[in-house]
Amino acid sequence: ETGVTQTPRHLVMGMTNKKSLKCEQHLGHNAMYWYKQSAKKPLELMFVYNFKEQTENNSVPSRFSPECPNSSHLFLHLHTLQPEDSALYLCASSLLGTGAYGYTFGSGTRLTVV
Amino acid sequence: AQTVTQSQPEMSVQEAETVTLSCTYDTSESNYYLFWYKQPPSRQMILVIRQEAYKQQNATENRFSVNFQKAAKSFSLKISDSQLGDTAMYFCAFMKPLPMDSNYQLIWGAGTKLIIKP
Repeated sequence: ETGVTQTPRHLVMGMTNKKSLKCEQHLGHNAMYWYKQSAKKPLELMFVYNFKEQTENNSVPSRFSPECPNSSHLFLHLHTLQPEDSALYLCASSLLGTGAYGYTFGSGTRLTVV
Repeated sequence: AQTVTQSQPEMSVQEAETVTLSCTYDTSESNYYLFWYKQPPSRQMILVIRQEAYKQQNATENRFSVNFQKAAKSFSLKISDSQLGDTAMYFCAFMKPLPMDSNYQLIWGAGTKLIIKP
């Protein structure tokens, strides 16, 4: 384990379902991120939370709703998704102001929308 | 626009050979950080090596080394004595400050799939 845990590992959901992805870190980091990874495309930053406050939303559709109750936990609530939302969703964490060390990632949730 | 380009979608080499993955980037920042991440089939994104732009000396981590050419905005990764466990997607990434924030954002390339053959 790397210190960033994501659940579930796989998720299949219908377009009318509501589900949530969970991310948890015990590294003492104070910034957390959601990324979307689609095949043959660069990772896309979705949301950034600093000290549990959202600071970035990269024009993500409202059917994705993030929640950060504290610096250790991050959720991504999903509802009425589209098939093109199928992708690997990666969570990451870091220490604010420490760009030199990059991010620590979880193993992702493979989401399939049917 | 700040971008990262990996021109090799896929590469394949024999075990024990040396392989070099290319990466170029575009930025107007003067101080920044560059990274190579590895993503094996387990999907976990693992940091391989990092380089601070203000350091002229190329970073080295065991069998992994970089060739950092700041003027050319080039950041290639060399893997020596390649092993079967090196098979993975490799991503080049550039770290830039986020506007209105004390945080940083990683800008990613599309990745290179590296296959090590026995």
